[in-house]
Amino acid sequence: SQQGEEDPQALSIQEGENATMNCSYKTSINNLQWYRQNSGRGLVHLILIRSNEREKHSGRLRVTLDTSKKSSSLLITASRAADTASYFCATVLTSNTGKLIFGQGTTLQVKP
Amino acid sequence: NAGVTQTPKFQVLKTGQSMTLQCAQDMNHNSMYWYRQDPGMGLRLIYYSASEGTTDKGEVPNGYNVSRLNKREFSLRLESAAPSQTSVYFCASGRDSYTDTQYFGPGTRLTVL
Repeated sequence: SQQGEEDPQALSIQEGENATMNCSYKTSINNLQWYRQNSGRGLVHLILIRSNEREKHSGRLRVTLDTSKKSSSLLITASRAADTASYFCATVLTSNTGKLIFGQGTTLQVKP
Repeated sequence: NAGVTQTPKFQVLKTGQSMTLQCAQDMNHNSMYWYRQDPGMGLRLIYYSASEGTTDKGEVPNGYNVSRLNKREFSLRLESAAPSQTSVYFCASGRDSYTDTQYFGPGTRLTVL
């Protein structure tokens, strides 16, 4: 299976609620990144967390990283309809030249 | 700044035809990448270029070739298109190395009949 696996595959919430997406990976990483993709568009970088960091914030986004469990989570607080998109985690491995390996993504729908 | 631009946006090919997807970035980035995205899957790396003059295979290079024309431009060529190459292709660039943030173009939707 893939290096990065996301859970859940799909998530539907009401505007104002929080959304949590999880990413698990198999081998040691240099960093882990989260990207957003709106329907039919390219990916947009959201946040990068390095292997020696445990938590990072950016606006309404909070990312945690637990290297002992090889997992990360993305929390979007007070969600808005505009947050409707697919969210991908991507890992940069320490074992090779650092290619970015993407998970399959979580599709988030925020209902107004 | 336009960021990362890709042409064309859409393309339909017949099996066996060839074409080149163009990508350019105006952010003075050293690294450039080509990915494909298939339904229900994340992005898979086809080829990448760590710097001008170098290219390397990614996860799914078969059936593709690339050219790093200069620091700004990185093209992807399909010599003999196959239906299995129907996909959305994304070009990306990064400042220094693979460990950094990547910036993506809008994508090219390719259909091979």
